[in-house]
Amino acid sequence: GESVGLHLPTLSVQEGDNSIINCAYSNSASDYFIWYKQESGKGPQFIIDIRSNMDKRQGQRVTVLLNKTVKHLSLQIAATQPGDSAVYFCAESFGFNKFYFGSGTKLNVKP
Amino acid sequence: EAEVAQSPRYKITEKSQAVAFWCDPISGHATLYWYRQILGQGPELLVQFQDESVVDDSQLPKDRFSAERLKGVDSTLKIQPAELGDSAMYLCASSFGLAGGWTYEQYFGPGTRLTVT
Repeated sequence: GESVGLHLPTLSVQEGDNSIINCAYSNSASDYFIWYKQESGKGPQFIIDIRSNMDKRQGQRVTVLLNKTVKHLSLQIAATQPGDSAVYFCAESFGFNKFYFGSGTKLNVKP
Repeated sequence: EAEVAQSPRYKITEKSQAVAFWCDPISGHATLYWYRQILGQGPELLVQFQDESVVDDSQLPKDRFSAERLKGVDSTLKIQPAELGDSAMYLCASSFGLAGGWTYEQYFGPGTRLTVT
């Protein structure tokens, strides 16, 4: 199967600072990537997605960067808020078929 | 806002017993997924439906797990017999399934937390 992993299992940031969550993927043929946020006791929630023909995509306070050369994906959260505290997963797929999720990074936002 | 419904939210069962989970996707979503999530890990796909047809069940332990989506709407995932290692969160997700469209967002339900004793 595919291997999607995260460099940092836990990330602590100060409220108001920017957060960067990283993800490495193994399948160079993957062409679609999603970031999910999962709060305790809830299912994952879609944050932002990006196709492999792009290297950057912006949403509200979030930016996803894709570096296909090194098979790396990152999620940037601007002005991190306490409500951003959660576990973040990246997921990859090829042809919108099977999605492979990484093991997650826990983001702690300190007030 | 439409949501994916799952029931029950929590289930405790003894090993060797049968257990079933139900999922009602967002109306109009053709694609339905069942995932298993072990604590501290990302979701792992068990089975994917397109309407009433299974398109991927390669990771489904078919000796004990079964899934159906008879009318292409709601779905049931069954485990028989349950084993201790089946303790996990079982997540259902749905999407429009419009391959070729820009986004392929999956909407997840709240999950069913299964504990096998």
